[in-house]
Amino acid sequence: EPEVTQTPSHQVTQMGQEVILRCVPISNHLYFYWYRQILGQKVEFLVSFYNNEISEKSEIFDDQFSVERPDGSNFTLKIRSTKLEDSAMYFCASRNVWGAIGELFFGEGSRLTVL
Amino acid sequence: GENVEQHPSTLSVQEGDSAVIKCTYSDSASNYFPWYKQELGKGPQLIIDIRSNVGEKKDQRIAVTLNKTAKHFSLHITETQPEDSAVYFCAASTNRDDKIIFGKGTRLHILP
Repeated sequence: EPEVTQTPSHQVTQMGQEVILRCVPISNHLYFYWYRQILGQKVEFLVSFYNNEISEKSEIFDDQFSVERPDGSNFTLKIRSTKLEDSAMYFCASRNVWGAIGELFFGEGSRLTVL
Repeated sequence: GENVEQHPSTLSVQEGDSAVIKCTYSDSASNYFPWYKQELGKGPQLIIDIRSNVGEKKDQRIAVTLNKTAKHFSLHITETQPEDSAVYFCAASTNRDDKIIFGKGTRLHILP
């Protein structure tokens, strides 16, 4: 069964450092998303991406965050200068053209720890 | 914007009994309501969904109900099994925004 894959599974970084989280969405999917989950809390929307541009972003997704689809398979989330409060599990998700907006396929997540 | 409330935050049921998780939403434009199951160390996985043009949907031991007037929707799991232990999230979305809003989650424990 096709799946969304994410790397790294866990990254530890110093405050102020740049971090890039990588995702390979399901191959025939065209809509891509990043969500995050602070430990024990709910899953929060960060950004949606379609046709090589951001279609929606939340208040959390400020100028420190960016997304990119550098080639035909990868979808990345960059945090330019990490803060302690960026520590969370980051989930990539994708959906196909025919799926409802909420029919998302999530990866297993990348845990980011900022020290 | 949309706000989704979910109750209870924790639920323990005996194996074989039923579990019910309830959610409310605020945006009357919401028309699609997925439920996700998150097992330890994994990403959320869609288990069932319901659209606003139906009131109930069932898939084996899982059923969802929707009351559009009251803006309530619920997940019902019957004949619970140990593998049902997980965190369950309700969510809501509209056709207007390309995102889903999650509830805070319910940690379901199935007791032997």
